[in-house]
Amino acid sequence: DTGVSQNPRHKITKRGQNVTFRCDPISEHNRLYWYRQTLGQGPEFLTYFQNEAQLEKSRLLSDRFSAERPKGSFSTLEIQRTEQGDSAMYLCASSSSSGGSNTEAFFGQGTRLTVV
Amino acid sequence: DAKTTQPNSMESNEEEPVHLPCNHSTISGTDYIHWYRQLPSQGPEYVIHGLTSNVNNRMASLAIAEDRKSSTLILHRATLRDAAVYYCMMTTDSWGKLQFGAGTQVVVTP
Repeated sequence: DTGVSQNPRHKITKRGQNVTFRCDPISEHNRLYWYRQTLGQGPEFLTYFQNEAQLEKSRLLSDRFSAERPKGSFSTLEIQRTEQGDSAMYLCASSSSSGGSNTEAFFGQGTRLTVV
Repeated sequence: DAKTTQPNSMESNEEEPVHLPCNHSTISGTDYIHWYRQLPSQGPEYVIHGLTSNVNNRMASLAIAEDRKSSTLILHRATLRDAAVYYCMMTTDSWGKLQFGAGTQVVVTP
């Protein structure tokens, strides 16, 4: 299966700790997105990369959050000094830029973060 | 932000068609209409998208109103595996950012 892969699938951490999630997109996709989803809500956009360039960040992405895509392939999302409000499912998606907005995005299974 | 309006939930019997409405009255000429669905404990899954004309694929059909202010996703024969939250969205920029709302919870009863 060459879909979008996210690791880990689950993470439990103590408040105040740092966590890092990884996303491996579909190999030929140059666009990569991060979303966050809390229980009962639809996913919320966090940030977007085209190749290695981070082109947009949501206001939801506080200073404690940082995302990178150093070589335009995999991406990492780091949360520093985690808070209980950070508990959520973090979703990664990828797509090709060749179709503009006339294209589909492929999502990973997500990383479920629980901050205790 | 671009907004769509969907019913909170819909019920259907197995093997019957399901028509999921979506209002997107603020849509502009270049905005695509996208539908995704999300099964429990899964990431969202692409269903279908379109611009002006009706679209069909192996999963569903998308009927777009002539004024493009509304659309309907049609699942022709609902199965238990179609029970999911269905999201209707517009992509309002060139790089395809998806803005999810609350979606419609589809319940399929045997």
